[in-house]
Amino acid sequence: AQTVTQSQPEMSVQEAETVTLSCTYDTSESDYYLFWYKQPPSRQMILVIRQEAYKQQNATENRFSVNFQKAAKSFSLKISDSQLGDAAMYFCAYRNRDDKIIFGKGTRLHILP
Amino acid sequence: DAEITQSPRHKITETGRQVTLACHQTWNHNNMFWYRQDLGHGLRLIHYSYGVQDTNKGEVSDGYSVSRSNTEDLPLTLESAASSQTSVYFCASSEWRERPQYFGPGTRLLVL
Repeated sequence: AQTVTQSQPEMSVQEAETVTLSCTYDTSESDYYLFWYKQPPSRQMILVIRQEAYKQQNATENRFSVNFQKAAKSFSLKISDSQLGDAAMYFCAYRNRDDKIIFGKGTRLHILP
Repeated sequence: DAEITQSPRHKITETGRQVTLACHQTWNHNNMFWYRQDLGHGLRLIHYSYGVQDTNKGEVSDGYSVSRSNTEDLPLTLESAASSQTSVYFCASSEWRERPQYFGPGTRLLVL
C-alpha cells in the first residue's frame, strides 16, 4: 500500500519570501502521479500542481514549483514570492494506477504580513 | 460549465438515523470517489466507482455504502449514523488518472 508523509504540520513564511513544503511517499509502483492540493478556509480542494512520475523535469506553475526526487521518493513544493492568499492547508497526494488518491495529513501554511 | 456538486452542504442528524449525501457531476466522468476529512488524518477514501453498477470499498468503508445507477451520481449512505462519522465529506470525479481529479465543495456532517 502506498503512503504519503508530510512531516511539517505547520509552517510560517514572511510575505514575498520563499517557502518549501516537504513530502515523502512510499510505493512499489513505477508509474504514478503526484499532486499538491491547496485547501483554503472555504474547504474547496484546489489543484496546485501535478507531476508525472515518468517525467524527470520538475513541474512549475507560475510561483509554484516542485522538486521531484524519484529515487528518494520525495516531492517538495516551493512557493516563491509568497502572498497572503497562499495561506491555506496544503496536501501532498499520490495517485496510483487504480486512480485512487492517497493524501498526506497536510501542512498548514501561514503568511506573515 | 461542467461541475461537481454536493448536497446538502451542511447536515445535522442523530445517531442511528440513515443519512444520504448526494454527489452529482456533469462531466460524464466514469470514476467517482468519496472521501472524508478529519483533523489529523487528511482525506481518506471511503468508497469509489469506476462506472455504472461498479462500487468498491476504500480505506474507511465500514458503516457506509454507495450505489451507482447512472454516470452522473454517486450517493453516499450512512446506514446508521454514529458520532464517529461526524466529518467533512468530499466527492470527486475523474475521467482517468491522466486527467485531473475534480473535487466537490464538501458536505459538513454533524452526528449528535
